[in-house]
Amino acid sequence: NAGVTQNPKFQVLKTGQSMTLQCAQDMNHNSMYWYRQDPGMGLRLIYYSASEGTTDKGEVPNGYNVSRLNKREFSLRLESAAPSQTSVYFCASSQTGVRHTEAFFGQGTRLTVV
Amino acid sequence: TQLLEQSPQFLSIQEGENLTVYCNSSSVFSSLQWYRQEPGEGPVLLVTVVTGGEVKKLKRLTFQFGDARKDSSLHITAAQPGDTGLYLCAGGRGGSNYKLTFGKGTLLTVNP
Repeated sequence: NAGVTQNPKFQVLKTGQSMTLQCAQDMNHNSMYWYRQDPGMGLRLIYYSASEGTTDKGEVPNGYNVSRLNKREFSLRLESAAPSQTSVYFCASSQTGVRHTEAFFGQGTRLTVV
Repeated sequence: TQLLEQSPQFLSIQEGENLTVYCNSSSVFSSLQWYRQEPGEGPVLLVTVVTGGEVKKLKRLTFQFGDARKDSSLHITAAQPGDTGLYLCAGGRGGSNYKLTFGKGTLLTVNP
């Protein structure tokens, strides 16, 4: 059981380049999330998807777009990368409709924008 | 706005010592979760507390949810080097649109 899988694990981009971070879960969860983690800032929610076909902004959505491709996959796109987007990005999933549900995280994508 | 404040931000102790980390908020949450994150990995859930005043124990770890469901604490007894990691609290809100809000974390180092 793979859980939550993120690709790529590492990426270096030049300012202005675009890229898509991939995330897939095999736990049949309805909800999926994208967080970024920066030193001293904890995990901040970028976007989330409560169910297939819906997406909502989180705390720090500017500069990002998301696509809930199907129930399994939730991608994060940077259209024009900026150095401020250098961070570790985590995808997570959880079961909707279950109160106090546990979030399962991928191993992260370490992104550097130069 | 950081809804969950964790303290201390950093903690370095010797093996065998006890410690407590805190998670405080001015908001009420339906649940409070504690996660532990090791370097290069994603956070992993340790415990969920849902009832005001609830206390849960996980081996040497004791978790408490405040009576008003606004704060929580994690106490570790006789810390070991394997306890080293980033401890994150997360507050849960919402029903069908459920999402978690995380604190900034407490980075714990237990020295042999």
